[in-house]
Amino acid sequence: GDSVTQMEGPVTLSEEAFLTINCTYTATGYPSLFWYVQYPGEGLQLLLKATKADDKGSNKGFEATYRKETTSFHLEKGSVQVSDSAVYFCALSSPSGKLIFGQGTELSVKP
Amino acid sequence: DGGITQSPKYLFRKEGQNVTLSCEQNLNHDAMYWYRQDPGQGLRLIYYSQIVNDFQKGDIAEGYSVSREKKESFPLTVTSAQKNPTAFYLCASSTLPPGLAGGNEQFFGPGTRLTVL
Repeated sequence: GDSVTQMEGPVTLSEEAFLTINCTYTATGYPSLFWYVQYPGEGLQLLLKATKADDKGSNKGFEATYRKETTSFHLEKGSVQVSDSAVYFCALSSPSGKLIFGQGTELSVKP
Repeated sequence: DGGITQSPKYLFRKEGQNVTLSCEQNLNHDAMYWYRQDPGQGLRLIYYSQIVNDFQKGDIAEGYSVSREKKESFPLTVTSAQKNPTAFYLCASSTLPPGLAGGNEQFFGPGTRLTVL
């Protein structure tokens, strides 16, 4: 079945460091791919998405490119801030329409 | 402001009790979802509904029940049959019924944290 695998956390970075959170997927067909962010004690917010191969989603300085050849959708940001500390979830839209989530990656940014 | 509201934010339940978690949306979305979140396990789908008066089981439906009498509302009941109900519960909605192309982006509520005493 469809699945999403994310790099394990927690990831701890200093402010202004470069961020990469790896995400790979297994899916039939051509799913849409998403990154969601969850701040402590809150629900999930959509960060960015890509609906077809080679699309790049971007928002708030974060980027991810839909790579069909490597079945990946890695999240990157050039310079993280303390306010980026949160849990990040990669997800895909399965053929049934449901979202399949990775286990989440906790990011902690230190000043 | 359009959005999804969940209540209460915190809920305490004694063993053997049923409790109902509220989820309301004013986004005019057709589809609604309930997820359970446990530490380190991501989100697991409990139930989802595409239209009023219709819903389907997700991956972990045992011990839960739902209703969809109105488009705006999708309450979740955690029954006494759910053996380990302590978790964070998230409700979501989307514009497209499952199965259609276009991304199926889901919008989430703020969550309800349920604790069994």
